[in-house]
Amino acid sequence: KAGVTQTPRYLIKTRGQQVTLSCSPISGHRSVSWYQQTPGQGLQFLFEYFSETQRNKGNFPGRFSGRQFSNSRSEMNVSTLELGDSALYLCASSWGISGGERSYEQYFGPGTRLTVT
Amino acid sequence: QKEVEQNSGPLSVPEGAIASLNCTYSDRVSQSFFWYRQYSGKSPELIMSIYSNGDKEDGRFTAQLNKASQYVSLLIRDSQPSDSATYLCAVVTRQLTFGSGTQLTVLP
Repeated sequence: KAGVTQTPRYLIKTRGQQVTLSCSPISGHRSVSWYQQTPGQGLQFLFEYFSETQRNKGNFPGRFSGRQFSNSRSEMNVSTLELGDSALYLCASSWGISGGERSYEQYFGPGTRLTVT
Repeated sequence: QKEVEQNSGPLSVPEGAIASLNCTYSDRVSQSFFWYRQYSGKSPELIMSIYSNGDKEDGRFTAQLNKASQYVSLLIRDSQPSDSATYLCAVVTRQLTFGSGTQLTVLP
């Protein structure tokens, strides 16, 4: 079974620009979560989507947004990029509430490395 | 108090020894607990899930859960240099919440 895929893998943007990252979950998984990982802050939760609805949101400014499509694929967008947005952005998929005990077993994609200059 | 706390390490053990990684959590109603392994430059990989009090074994890995003490641990037996990585504890609160990770180095 194919794993979680993320595109692009690497991205270099200039401060003030915007960026859209894409995530395709494992087949059958209906929940997608996004995380930001930096050396100083570790894994920080951005948001979680299930069946096209945002279920939870982390403590990030409104410049960070996301959405999920009917096929469970998800995108996140960051507008007005700042230098501090340089990070590894990780997407993880899981069964969601339909998965019983395994609902929250999350499987990560390879990540998108964003560099803001 | 952080929701999920881990000793940041680094932790070094000799090859063949038992590595013990610990994690505490603050939300008493948490029911699902996970350990992830992350190699440098890679994304986290799920290695253990545990949902009930007690021990769960999978190969060289044993996860231990004590809900009364709000404590979950990971034991790695016969540690190998390939086990050198950062180990992340994760607990379901409102969403999956990760600890800051413990960096493990297994010395040949």
